[in-house]
Amino acid sequence: GESVGLHLPTLSVQEGDNSIINCAYSNSASDYFIWYKQESGKGPQFIIDIRSNMDKRQGQRVTVLLNKTVKHLSLQIAATQPGDSAVYFCAEAFTGGGNKLTFGTGTQLKVEL
Amino acid sequence: DVKVTQSSRYLVKRTGEKVFLECVQDMDHENMFWYRQDPGLGLRLIYFSYDVKMKEKGDIPEGYSVSREKKERFSLILESASTNQTSMYLCASRLLAGRADEQFFGPGTRLTVL
Repeated sequence: GESVGLHLPTLSVQEGDNSIINCAYSNSASDYFIWYKQESGKGPQFIIDIRSNMDKRQGQRVTVLLNKTVKHLSLQIAATQPGDSAVYFCAEAFTGGGNKLTFGTGTQLKVEL
Repeated sequence: DVKVTQSSRYLVKRTGEKVFLECVQDMDHENMFWYRQDPGLGLRLIYFSYDVKMKEKGDIPEGYSVSREKKERFSLILESASTNQTSMYLCASRLLAGRADEQFFGPGTRLTVL
């Protein structure tokens, strides 16, 4: 999962397995959360978002789960593919804070063939 | 598709030089942002702008300034570059002010200050 520090957490999974990337957010007032994917040499790309009035949202092969009680967010990727290899960031925002996004430090996902 | 472009992918400058990083978005977005990205620290907000001629400090504005003379363009300025400003710089834009929403990112500029 994501954490503050100088080393990027790494998750290694076999191709075809499911991946779960975790994120602990800090602000209990945050009401909007986004997952971004950043491939090498590129800017972050939006994957999926969720608002605080939901606890689960599904996209294509991805699911985001939100647990507000413990301030925890997760991204599940089904049937992980080599193209999923990237750094994944969670971001949080709250309406009263000018809607600035606060990003986590990122998790490196490596897909092994 | 929203397109956010940055003027350079790679830039090498010397200590003390004035550096301009340019960002242009083509979707008439009101909000624009500059971040720097460093290993293990994630993305940190330097400055943002809600609209033309408006600017707000982010979390780490020291050593930087910005300019937003036109809606589509947001410039980051390093008045006197220092080695600790060596980093990846990412620009982003967002459609609506006052609403938490998806930000669209440019490809980044990797700046090296010697």
